[in-house]
Amino acid sequence: ELKVEQNPLFLSMQEGKNYTIYCNYSTTSDRLYWYRQDPGKSLESLFVLLSNGAVKQEGRLMASLDTKARLSTLHITAAVHDLSATYFCALGAGAQKLVFGQGTRLTINP
Amino acid sequence: EPEVTQTPSHQVTQMGQEVILRCVPISNHLYFYWYRQILGQKVEFLVSFYNNEISEKSEIFDDQFSVERPDGSNFTLKIRSTKLEDSAMYFCASSVGQGSGNTIYFGEGSWLTVV
Repeated sequence: ELKVEQNPLFLSMQEGKNYTIYCNYSTTSDRLYWYRQDPGKSLESLFVLLSNGAVKQEGRLMASLDTKARLSTLHITAAVHDLSATYFCALGAGAQKLVFGQGTRLTINP
Repeated sequence: EPEVTQTPSHQVTQMGQEVILRCVPISNHLYFYWYRQILGQKVEFLVSFYNNEISEKSEIFDDQFSVERPDGSNFTLKIRSTKLEDSAMYFCASSVGQGSGNTIYFGEGSWLTVV
């Protein structure tokens, strides 16, 4: 059974600090996604990572993929309050389906 | 920016009633999906739909569920006889293509409460 595990599940941090969310998965895939979800809202696509060593950055967020370790990371640099949200990684399983991690609820305090 | 739209945003229904959740995918997209998220849990795949037929479904998507694309724009999820455990946020999603490199865009969700 394909498993996608995120850690930590809850993260409270101060503004200005750096932190990393980890996403481990159990089987190979050709794509890994990161999504952001605000409370009661939809899933906003952040990054699609396709190959080993892929790194993508948008503002204070940077995502990377290590297919050999079956690990993706989402790094937050100098966090600001409006990055508070739940972040999901999701692995492509077959042509169409995504398998999601449990989500990491990130709270950034002033 | 084009978006996936869903209606209703929230529906309360009695156990045993039929529910239809509606979605308008992004106009040039060809692949359509339903996912659900039970409160506090992970997002789970239900079904994918392409070329007017189901292309993949999960074990959650049993005979109580059906999907349809009744016209050129709408994509619906029907739950025939709702159970308490069907209470969840249901997300519609769409993509241009499938597989590697295709971003899947999600709607804002329909929150279903079964009482």
